[in-house]
Amino acid sequence: DVKVTQSSRYLVKRTGEKVFLECVQDMDHENMFWYRQDPGLGLRLIYFSYDVKMKEKGDIPEGYSVSREKKERFSLILESASTNQTSMYLCASSLLRVTQETQYFGPGTRLLVL
Amino acid sequence: AQSVAQPEDQVNVAEGNPLTVKCTYSVSGNPYLFWYVQYPNRGLQFLLKYITGDNLVKGSYGFEAEFNKSQTSFHLKKPSALVSDSALYFCAVRSSGGSYIPTFGRGTSLIVHP
Repeated sequence: DVKVTQSSRYLVKRTGEKVFLECVQDMDHENMFWYRQDPGLGLRLIYFSYDVKMKEKGDIPEGYSVSREKKERFSLILESASTNQTSMYLCASSLLRVTQETQYFGPGTRLLVL
Repeated sequence: AQSVAQPEDQVNVAEGNPLTVKCTYSVSGNPYLFWYVQYPNRGLQFLLKYITGDNLVKGSYGFEAEFNKSQTSFHLKKPSALVSDSALYFCAVRSSGGSYIPTFGRGTSLIVHP
């Protein structure tokens, strides 16, 4: 089974802090995604990556950056956390740039910015 | 452009009764359609997908979905609901000829009453 893990289930940070969210997948997937989930808004794509060192902006990239130095790891960085970034963050991966492939999700990180 | 609508924020059903969670989509080209389920404080889990072929797709946990091209719908169904089916359900769509990035609906909360 594909396993996608996220470094933390819960995080509490202060406004202005730099925050790192880590995601690791163990199935050699090319594609990796970061989503933000908020009540009533569903999943919104922040960034995605289809290869090492490759990244593309999603729908809401402002205030975020990403890093993919190794194929299995995709990091989401909040350069200066703000209260409006309090949310549930979900990482996902999928195989190849193939539209029919299923995405596999991690358990999520619930971030609270005070 | 592609989009998904889940017209109901919440669906309530009694245990043992059939359930339907609605999804309609808009996409250029042929659609690839997905249903995912999210249990409380968990990531999304894949339920089923329609790529091509039989319009009735069977998935995990006794769920099925019917692809209706003329109505651009992909409703999720189950003949007999269980209390343990209570969760958040997401529909997603991709175009067969376009981006491999899916678009998710806002989610429907299914509550099954004992």
